Amino acid sequence: ETGVTQTPRHLVMGMTNKKSLKCEQHLGHNAMYWYKQSAKKPLELMFVYSLEERVENNSVPSRFSPECPNSSHLFLHLHTLQPEDSALYLCASSQEGFTGANVLTFGAGSRLTVL
Amino acid sequence: GNSVTQMEGPVTLSEEAFLTINCTYTATGYPSLFWYVQYPGEGLQLLLKATKADDKGSNKGFEATYRKETTSFHLEKGSVQVSDSAVYFCALSGPSGGGADGLTFGKGTHLIIQP
Repeated sequence: ETGVTQTPRHLVMGMTNKKSLKCEQHLGHNAMYWYKQSAKKPLELMFVYSLEERVENNSVPSRFSPECPNSSHLFLHLHTLQPEDSALYLCASSQEGFTGANVLTFGAGSRLTVL
Repeated sequence: GNSVTQMEGPVTLSEEAFLTINCTYTATGYPSLFWYVQYPGEGLQLLLKATKADDKGSNKGFEATYRKETTSFHLEKGSVQVSDSAVYFCALSGPSGGGADGLTFGKGTHLIIQP
């Protein structure tokens, strides 16, 4: 496996369900991200983990709960979602340093549909 | 805060036509600038980047020049191919240039190349 892998690729859930999205990076990077991609809107940064500590929240509703057990894995736990949460959720990773020009490597995304 | 404005499209061109996708930005400090591309069913891939004023990023025949005086980073290609059909995103790094700020993206420009 190479790059950034996301599972599942597609997920359909009811508003009362609890599910999780998984992301794994095989690049040796030290930072991981969750972005939300909705139609006609810019990508929204949801969470950032740097060296396994969360550094960005961006006022995301508490029905989204991230978890980063180690530098290679990132989860997004979902519970009591709303239909407007239906979107493509993208995971990304990067090697954070002090020189700027931070390049993100993205996974293929998890397409979430909330009924 | 940081923001990116780009033409949304769709932009439809014939094969071998000249391409320009406009991108302007608002940012504090000296951000790095990026173009990412998203092919159908895939995540975002880095296309090119520029880290300081007057830098030119280039890749696969695409070019963009970091213009600080006009706060622009327009994407150009001299002769497009059908395989260039995708969604193109302009982005800039956060104030620190590092990963803790993530990247700020535009809404994306859908490019369609007809044979």
